[in-house]
Order: sequence, then C-alpha cells, then structure tokens
Amino acid sequence: DVKVTQSSRYLVKRTGEKVFLECVQDMDHENMFWYRQDPGLGLRLIYFSYDVKMKEKGDIPEGYSVSREKKERFSLILESASTNQTSMYLCASGSVYEQYFGPGTRLTVT
Amino acid sequence: GQSLEQPSEVTAVEGAIVQINCTYQTSGFYGLSWYQQHDGGAPTFLSYNALDGLEETGRFSSFLSRSDSYGYLLLQELQMKDSASYFCAVREGRDDKIIFGKGTRLHILP
Repeated sequence: DVKVTQSSRYLVKRTGEKVFLECVQDMDHENMFWYRQDPGLGLRLIYFSYDVKMKEKGDIPEGYSVSREKKERFSLILESASTNQTSMYLCASGSVYEQYFGPGTRLTVT
Repeated sequence: GQSLEQPSEVTAVEGAIVQINCTYQTSGFYGLSWYQQHDGGAPTFLSYNALDGLEETGRFSSFLSRSDSYGYLLLQELQMKDSASYFCAVREGRDDKIIFGKGTRLHILP
C-alpha cells in the first residue's frame, strides 16, 4: 500500500513564525503536491513538484515556498505565518490524476 | 476561466442509487477524476475517466461526456459508510496539475 505521512496532525503557531510542514512518501513517486483545504472551498493547490529540486506554483502559492531535496520528501514552508493561513494542509503523491493523500496537518496560526 | 460545478449536498436513502454530477469549464481537458473523503480523513482516489463512457468499479461507476463537459459518479446499493464528501477533479494537461471541485456532501438516511 502507498503510504504518505505528514510530520504532524495538529500544529499551533504564532503569527510571524516560520513553519515547516514535512511530507514523506514511500512509493518512489516522482510527483508530489501540497494542498490546503478550507470549508466550502475544496482543495486548492499550493505547489507541486515533478522531480527532485523541481517545483511549480499552483493556484495559491503566495506566502508559501517548498523544498524537494530528496525524491521521497516534499516540504512546505510558511515563511512568516499569518492567521489567514490557518487551514488543513494535505500532501499527496502519485500521478496527476491518481493521487494518494497523507492524513493532513491542521495548522492554527494565532 | 476555470470552473467545476457540483452540488454542495445530496441526500439519499440506504440501499438506493445516487448520482453526483460535475460540469466543468477549463482551458484544456485530459480527464476527470473522483475522490471520496470521510470526515476527518484524507481524500481517497475512486476513479478516472479519460474517454467518453461509463467505467464501473464495484458499486461505484463514473461517466464522462467530453462533448457536454460533464461527468457523474454513480453510487449503487448505498451503505451508511458511503456518507462522505465526493470531489470531482479535472486534469487540464498531459503533465499538468488537476483542479478540484468544491465537493458534494452525501448524506445517507437509514
């Protein structure tokens, strides 16, 4: 079974802090994705990566950056957390049309 | 612009059949995916249609009409465990990202 793990299920940070969300997959997938999910808005793509050290902006990249130094690991970075970044963050890996999601990190910024 | 439309909520009775529709307007189209998400859980992949027609996987089927920019997910013999949110997602390009709809919450009555 494909396994996608995320570093934390729940995270509370203060405004202005730098936040790292880690994602690891064990299926040797080239593609990895970061989404945020908010009620009534569905899943919105923040960044994705097709290969190591490669990244592409999604629909809402502002305020975020990513890092992919190893194939199995894709990190999402909030350079200076703000309250409007309070959300559920989901990482996924797989093909473009068939993605496997991690359990999510519920981030609260106070 | 890009848009995916699906009903926000659908209610059906246990044992019955329900259809969840998805219409899309995107700059390109390579296929339509469906995902299921239970409360507190991660989205899980259900199906992918690249060509017109009906694809069946057990109790779930997915249909696509490219000429009508329309697809649906059909759930048969509904069970209480099918209570969840269902998302359609469009693949716009060969190696491009997918765009998710806002989701349909399926309520099942005993």
